[in-house]
Amino acid sequence: AQSVAQPEDQVNVAEGNPLTVKCTYSVSGNPYLFWYVQYPNRGLQFLLKYITGDNLVKGSYGFEAEFNKSQTSFHLKKPSALVSDSALYFCAVRDIRSSNTGKLIFGQGTTLQVKP
Amino acid sequence: DAGVTQSPTHLIKTRGQQVTLRCSPKSGHDTVSWYQQALGQGPQFIFQYYEEEERQRGNFPDRFSGHQFPNYSSELNVNALLLGDSALYLCASTPEAGVANTEAFFGQGTRLTVV
Repeated sequence: AQSVAQPEDQVNVAEGNPLTVKCTYSVSGNPYLFWYVQYPNRGLQFLLKYITGDNLVKGSYGFEAEFNKSQTSFHLKKPSALVSDSALYFCAVRDIRSSNTGKLIFGQGTTLQVKP
Repeated sequence: DAGVTQSPTHLIKTRGQQVTLRCSPKSGHDTVSWYQQALGQGPQFIFQYYEEEERQRGNFPDRFSGHQFPNYSSELNVNALLLGDSALYLCASTPEAGVANTEAFFGQGTRLTVV
């Protein structure tokens, strides 16, 4: 079965420091991977995706993610964290195996806390 | 562009009641998916609608049903509400063309509380 794991419930980082939010996946076939961010009492906002091509993907708000096929990982990164980056982050894989409907399978989420 | 809009934003219902949630997809999108996000969890896929038909369903009981209208908007209905149905319900839209590699756009969600 296709699945996503986010091993850290919470990541704490000081403002200005680099941040990494981890994600590993398990899929059959080529993975379609996504990162979303959720602010309190809001829906999900798309950050970036990996479909094919370069392993380093750049997205919104200065975020980037590195796709590593051998380690089945898709970690979210940012060189310099901002307090406003504090939010809940979700990694997701698209289940293209089942009827190409675009169903997303989400991880449990990681809370990012950036302290001034 | 209004993006994905959902209504209502909050709802309180009593056990055993029925509820209807509504979603208007982003302009140009014809595929609508519904997700349930319980507190502290990631969103779980409920079902997807395309061309007014349910195309795929997640692991949810028949109490959960839906509908898609000719203008692509959608409803999620939940019958015989249980306390465990309390969650944030998210609607997501995608264009059918490129549905596999196109990012889904999410609404702000409907917070359902069952008491």
